[in-house]
Amino acid sequence: EVQLVESGGDLVRPGGSLRLSCVASGFTFSGHDMHWVRQGSGKRLEWVAGIGTGGDTEYADSVKGRFTVSRENAKNSLYLQLNSLTAGDTAVYYCARVNDGALDYWGQGTLVTVSA
Amino acid sequence: DILMTQSPSSLSASVGDRVTISCQASQDIYNYLNWYQQKPGRAPKLLIYDVSTLETGVPSRFGGSGSGTDFTFTITSLQPEDIATYYCQQYATFPYTFGQGTKLEIK
Repeated sequence: EVQLVESGGDLVRPGGSLRLSCVASGFTFSGHDMHWVRQGSGKRLEWVAGIGTGGDTEYADSVKGRFTVSRENAKNSLYLQLNSLTAGDTAVYYCARVNDGALDYWGQGTLVTVSA
Repeated sequence: DILMTQSPSSLSASVGDRVTISCQASQDIYNYLNWYQQKPGRAPKLLIYDVSTLETGVPSRFGGSGSGTDFTFTITSLQPEDIATYYCQQYATFPYTFGQGTKLEIK
């Protein structure tokens, strides 16, 4: 059974940093691109970042230069480093497995709240 | 970025009704279009990929069609468990983008 479990969400002050983790199981992690998607309260889904099997990365303009996606295949883990956080980054962050462009499995999400 | 626009933003229908949601892309996305269902407090679930292919286990009352810039999502006979918000998503180019969502309610 495919499982994705996120962790690391927290309350952080504006300008602060946070590292999110996503541990995968039930599939060959190294064989899939992995993405992060976020959703503010009552808002649409927003694609944030993605990393390919070869380590190539892509970012939304809204987070480019502030967020860094990485992966550690030996630990079946995906990470998202969030720096210079603003209130606009407050959201539930989901990790998702990519299968030919479709996000076919999602984690349960981890909440990041940016507030003074 | 490619803008994805769904209509309507909300929809109220009766059990057994046929429901249709539209999704329009701001530029040609070929067939690189997926549909997701999200129930309150839950993660999104992939229903349809590549415009019209049902994900494994998804009931056949769900369907999709379209190409280029105009796409349609259909539920042929609405069931109570279909109450959710539905999102289209393009993957023709980065950044991937989602529609604003269509909230489906039972009348």
